[in-house]
Formats: sequence, C-alpha cells, structure tokens
Amino acid sequence: KNEVEQSPQNLTAQEGEFITINCSYSVGISALHWLQQHPGGGIVSLFMLSSGKKKHGRLIATINIQEKHSSLHITASHPRDSAVYICAVRGSQGNLIFGKGTKLSVKP
Amino acid sequence: EAQVTQNPRYLITVTGKKLTVTCSQNMNHEYMSWYRQDPGLGLRQIYYSMNVEVTDKGDVPEGYKVSRKEKRNFPLILESPSPNQTSLYFCASSRTSFLYNEQFFGPGTRLTVL
Repeated sequence: KNEVEQSPQNLTAQEGEFITINCSYSVGISALHWLQQHPGGGIVSLFMLSSGKKKHGRLIATINIQEKHSSLHITASHPRDSAVYICAVRGSQGNLIFGKGTKLSVKP
Repeated sequence: EAQVTQNPRYLITVTGKKLTVTCSQNMNHEYMSWYRQDPGLGLRQIYYSMNVEVTDKGDVPEGYKVSRKEKRNFPLILESPSPNQTSLYFCASSRTSFLYNEQFFGPGTRLTVL
C-alpha cells in the first residue's frame, strides 16, 4: 500500500466550479506539502501545513492530523489552474514521499 | 532573482558514459534534494543534503552519487548510466529542513539514456 494516496487521479471541471483534491497518508507526520506542476513541467510549492487550514487566493488547504487526511480546494476554478497537484509527507525513513498526483483540467 | 538552476535541461547519452547534472541555488539554503519523476510512479527522492558535507539517501539512491562541497551547489552524478535512469530530474532547495519549509524547485532536466 502506498504511504500517500491521492484522489481523484484525473479531474475535469468547468470554469467556475469548486474543486476538491484529496490526500490520505498512512504514516505519522508533522507536516504535509501541496505542490503544483504546470503543464510545462515546472513545480511550485503551494502550501506547507501541519494543522488546520491555510488560504492563498482561491486556494485553500486543510489537514486533519487525526484522520491522516488533507484536502486542497480551488474556488472559482479557471483554465489557468489546469495542472498536476501533488501532496507529499515525511515518510517512515525520514525522507519526503509524494503522492502520484491529481491531473486537473479546467475547461472554459 | 531567487532561483534554483539546473544544467543541462535536456541530455541524451549512451549507456555507461559518466555524466553530471549540476544544481545551484542562490538563496543560501541549507537543504538541497534531488528527485526523479517517472510516469505512473510520480516524484521519488534520490538523495538529499542537510548542509555542506552532509548527504543522505532517499528512496531510490542506487546508481547515483551526490556531493555537497559548497552550500550553493549539489551536483548529481551518474557514474555509469543505464536506460532505467531515463527520467525527468528535479533539484530543490529549502531554507532549513525540507520537511517543514517551502521547497524551491529547479526547472528540471530531461535525461534519456540509450
């Protein structure tokens, strides 16, 4: 079983829709990362969170440590949000382990 | 401009020919890391470094070497590349532990080993 599971794998939405991407993990963690990989391949860090909720523009990330689950929400989605979204946590060996990513496509 | 640079961006080579992918950051970050990304497998950590002269293995270190002689540079060395090392490689850095800090990624190096 993968230590980090993301769902869905692929997501297609219409512009303006509210989007939720989920990340579940099986290891104990103290921090979780959300990353965005653009269609051109570049990766940017969106959030690092260890509890509660963080908001940046139209993006909101939440985490529930007890349930070992995090969600990334995008409000009023736009075609420029089309990307792969990746969550990552500290693995049992102390390194960083990534989910396989959720490919989001937002249609105009 | 704060950035992580990698060179080369694209490389096609042949089995067994030693190569080095360079990584440099200008943010005085302590932590640096190398990842490879493969279809269906996602990102996997190869090696990381917590500071100068300190390196540790990640998930998939076999076939790779790294060194951290200076704070800004963290080259990835493939002594004898094989076709299964064909991949997209990313270098990243963070101020302190990448577990608890934002990571800054380089643009990626697409390597093909024939």
